[in-house]
Amino acid sequence: SAVISQKPSRDICQRGTSLTIQCQVDSQVTMMFWYRQQPGQSLTLIATANQGSEATYESGFVIDKFPISRPNLTFSTLTVSNMSPEDSSIYLCSVEGIGTGIQETQYFGPGTRLLVL
Amino acid sequence: DAKTTQPPSMDCAEGRAANLPCNHSTISGNEYVYWYRQIHSQGPQYIIHGLKNNETNEMASLIITEDRKSSTLILPHATLRDTAVYYCIVRVGNDYKLSFGAGTTVTVRA
Repeated sequence: SAVISQKPSRDICQRGTSLTIQCQVDSQVTMMFWYRQQPGQSLTLIATANQGSEATYESGFVIDKFPISRPNLTFSTLTVSNMSPEDSSIYLCSVEGIGTGIQETQYFGPGTRLLVL
Repeated sequence: DAKTTQPPSMDCAEGRAANLPCNHSTISGNEYVYWYRQIHSQGPQYIIHGLKNNETNEMASLIITEDRKSSTLILPHATLRDTAVYYCIVRVGNDYKLSFGAGTTVTVRA
């Protein structure tokens, strides 16, 4: 499997501000995804990060709130905009389609722990 | 995707085999069974997946019933580091979506 890193690993932010989370993979991957895990809850898919085009958002998530970029096959960013305390969550990047990995299997990054005050 | 049902929690003794059940009675012929685990506040870790045959890797074994309506993840020799939430997920092979349920919280006790 690939090595997936996320920055920052954690942050404390003030309401009304925005935070950009980075996801870096050490090899090219076909697909990249962003998930959210609210406190005590399971993971929910936010969107698929598409290279060279707009991300594909799941129901309940919109581009204005969670703009996503994917400039190449190894990197993506998720921005949490105009934050409120309800955005306090773990944000996770996942990837699929790694050249040397098990096909049709997603691998997850370590997550970014966000607390909004 | 078909839904899965897992017990909310279970305890295991260190050094013993841990058998984690999962029901997926509405699974379709082209849906795989995947298992992930999440150790506290870390990203989910892929364990194993299978379609209809039993599978084994260095982490675990996956036993799928002949009718594919249920499966069991076996951790052969549980250690304290296996304490985690274990998720059973069914997924169509070419569909990227992973639908995480509540999972089973497994506590390995010394």
